[in-house]
Amino acid sequence: ETGVTQTPRHLVMGMTNKKSLKCEQHLGHNAMYWYKQSAKKPLELMFVYNFKEQTENNSVPSRFSPECPNSSHLFLHLHTLQPEDSALYLCASSQDLAGADTQYFGPGTRLTVL
Amino acid sequence: AQKVTQAQTEISVVEKEDVTLDCVYETRDTTYYLFWYKQPPSGELVFLIRRNSFDEQNEISGRYSWNFQKSTSSFNFTITASQVVDSAVYFCALTSLSTQGGSEKLVFGKGTKLTVNP
Repeated sequence: ETGVTQTPRHLVMGMTNKKSLKCEQHLGHNAMYWYKQSAKKPLELMFVYNFKEQTENNSVPSRFSPECPNSSHLFLHLHTLQPEDSALYLCASSQDLAGADTQYFGPGTRLTVL
Repeated sequence: AQKVTQAQTEISVVEKEDVTLDCVYETRDTTYYLFWYKQPPSGELVFLIRRNSFDEQNEISGRYSWNFQKSTSSFNFTITASQVVDSAVYFCALTSLSTQGGSEKLVFGKGTKLTVNP
């Protein structure tokens, strides 16, 4: 059983739709992350939360809106996306933000924007 | 700036062969951490190992072994007697503690796709 879960696993949406990705971690961690993985590109860090507070926004367009109601849950709200936003979106968590802390990843949501 | 280079984009081997995945890193910090992750077709990144910059001992875990060499800034990963289930994309990653005391974000290489054929 994985410590980090993500739903849905697959999502197809039109450019005018609004949808949300959900991440939940069962590891008792304090930090959570959103990453984007596109074909042929390295993983891109999008957002970082520590104790529910956003500590990093890596110049992500406003059509991506994160929400962290508590240390165990992280959402990514999507609206008016573009086809180039199609990618695998990965959530991760770590004990804290210390460099030594290992990040544990969920299975990802594969998003297709039509 | 921190950087991780995985020069091998794709590797294909036959089952039972040994295979080494290369990772070269760049950082100006003296305290840093190196990681390897495995990403099978299902998509999840599976943590394999973490190594800090002060521990150059090589590590072996079953068929997996890691060779950390600060002199060449490399952290290579070897799979002995490869199996079909080892087929995946493998990522090397780096983070560090800066001299100002903060942590640098985790930087990933582009990954090496390993295919093990029966």
